Amino acid sequence: DADVTQTPRNRITKTGKRIMLECSQTKGHDRMYWYRQDPGLGLRLIYYSFDVKDINKGEISDGYSVSRQAQAKFSLSLESAIPNQTALYFCATSGRGTDTQYFGPGTRLTVL
Amino acid sequence: LAKTTQPISMDSYEGQEVNITCSHNNIATNDYITWYQQFPSQGPRFIIQGYKTKVTNEVASLFIPADRKSSTLSLPRVSLSDTAVYYCLVGDSWGKLQFGAGTQVVVTP
Repeated sequence: DADVTQTPRNRITKTGKRIMLECSQTKGHDRMYWYRQDPGLGLRLIYYSFDVKDINKGEISDGYSVSRQAQAKFSLSLESAIPNQTALYFCATSGRGTDTQYFGPGTRLTVL
Repeated sequence: LAKTTQPISMDSYEGQEVNITCSHNNIATNDYITWYQQFPSQGPRFIIQGYKTKVTNEVASLFIPADRKSSTLSLPRVSLSDTAVYYCLVGDSWGKLQFGAGTQVVVTP
């Protein structure tokens, strides 16, 4: 969905490096989410935010941190990347009172 | 969050109807049933959502029996471009979704 953008789209990095993945949305939604997807598996929730002052851990938050800089921006950081964090990362948004989520195009991250 | 169970894969030919059934025995009163479609290396895309009975849109139909312990996504007259992974999810308006492994649908000529 072009209303949800992610940068970068692809990134290769080395173990121990700090990485930030960024997500922006123009849908005016309050809620934003970060997921990771490993090959052949469904998406797993890392962190979610229901508004600018609200941050919540998801199913697999260890090794990750997030920042909600504004309603439209939600960043995911890997403080010290490790190889098992190699995955496809998706950002999503949803409006208040609904669980319909709109996903970005994804960031493919490879940690060597 | 209610857990869902759906077939791992389904094969179909072009022009046929594809029905994917999802089990969600522990669905809560406030939960809606939502289906997403995902193509390789793309984010999931919302297809349809329902609470009970039948919902139809331009893409699919969703059938939900009275006990709401299962639901069936119906894709009419599939084409090659319908080859994708389909996810069944249940959740409430709090917005937390739990994705399973989904159903890989493969459409062949």
